[in-house]
Amino acid sequence: KAGVTQTPRYLIKTRGQQVTLSCSPISGHRSVSWYQQTPGQGLQFLFEYFSETQRNKGNFPGRFSGRQFSNSRSEMNVSTLELGDSALYLCASSARAGGAWSNEQFFGPGTRLTVL
Amino acid sequence: DQQVKQNSPSLSVQEGRISILNCDYTNSMFDYFLWYKKYPAEGPTFLISISSIKDKNEDGRFTVFLNKSAKHLSLHIVPSQPGDSAVYFCAASASGGGSQGNLIFGKGTKLSVKP
Repeated sequence: KAGVTQTPRYLIKTRGQQVTLSCSPISGHRSVSWYQQTPGQGLQFLFEYFSETQRNKGNFPGRFSGRQFSNSRSEMNVSTLELGDSALYLCASSARAGGAWSNEQFFGPGTRLTVL
Repeated sequence: DQQVKQNSPSLSVQEGRISILNCDYTNSMFDYFLWYKKYPAEGPTFLISISSIKDKNEDGRFTVFLNKSAKHLSLHIVPSQPGDSAVYFCAASASGGGSQGNLIFGKGTKLSVKP
């Protein structure tokens, strides 16, 4: 079974631009969660989607948004990029809603975003 | 306000010895704890977990201990191997309340196992 895939793997943008990151979960998984990893803050939860609905949201500004499609693929969008948005963005999938709080969450390799 | 703290950013251990990684939490609602391992350029991979109804869980060379009264957990790796060199994240979750489904992570501890 193929793992979680994220595209692109690396991205360079400039301040003020917007960016869209994509995540394809493991086949059959319906829950997708997004995390931001920075050296200073570690891994921080952004949001979770299940069956095209946002179930939970972390403490991030409205510039960060996401959506999930009927095939469970998810996209994350960041508008008006700031230097501090430079981070590794990780996507994780699980079979069930709230699967993040079990050992059933599987992470993708991440998208490294650099904002200049 | 960090709810999950890994106070040691790095740890160096000799091959064959025990590695002990520590994690403290502040939210008493947390009832499920996980450890993840992360290699460079890869996403975190699940290692071991423990429910708050237990105080110990063992899986091969990895054992997690939970001390609820101290709000402290630790991961023991015995014996340590060079392939264990990675960043280890402690994570916690509450099964109820608004944070259901969210994992709260610590900042990670970089373990280096020297041959």
